[in-house]
Amino acid sequence: AQKITQTQPGMFVQEKEAVTLDCTYDTSDQSYGLFWYKQPSSGEMIFLIYQGSYDEQNATEGRYSLNFQKARKSANLVISASQLGDSAMYFCAMREKNTGTASKLTFGTGTRLQVTL
Amino acid sequence: DAGVIQSPRHEVTEMGQEVTLRCKPISGHDYLFWYRQTMMRGLELLIYFNNNVPIDDSGMPEDRFSAKMPNASFSTLKIQPSEPRDSAVYFCASSLEVRGKQYFGPGTRLTVT
Repeated sequence: AQKITQTQPGMFVQEKEAVTLDCTYDTSDQSYGLFWYKQPSSGEMIFLIYQGSYDEQNATEGRYSLNFQKARKSANLVISASQLGDSAMYFCAMREKNTGTASKLTFGTGTRLQVTL
Repeated sequence: DAGVIQSPRHEVTEMGQEVTLRCKPISGHDYLFWYRQTMMRGLELLIYFNNNVPIDDSGMPEDRFSAKMPNASFSTLKIQPSEPRDSAVYFCASSLEVRGKQYFGPGTRLTVT
């Protein structure tokens, strides 16, 4: 089974609108972490936001927020007021505690976001 | 502080040649990770180090791949001999703690012809 599922291979959003990128995960651990990374066309991986499984509040970082629904095992990224520079690939990733490699991040397949005028 | 530094940014080599990728983690980060990104397999962890010691190399595809971290500020990933299927972007990342966020370098785009 896929550990991280991103069902949207591509998304379009108009500038200044909000967009939600979906991510669902599969784990039997109680302690885990969820990450979102952005990969622009230049190729680098940029950390955006982190949510711990025990965090009661949804994480926010500027225009990025994480809609964490633990019971549904979803960790959707919400980008508010989209900008042209937000056009990129977005990856959801999970770190599980009870694995042989405590630091291992498992990545989803990514969602390509295109912001239009 | 400078981010994770990788070199070279691009490498084109012929099948059978040895390739060495280099990484300098962020100063003070105790964890270093090597990832590979391909269209077919996405992002995969190859190996990671803690305090210069390899902790998990289960992602290393085969014996042709080896990684070292001789000191806290330098790591190498070597492929010998290289094959066309090794063509990918190789990322190095570092983090301050085991559960901390990982900071990625710019990647090395490797093309093996």
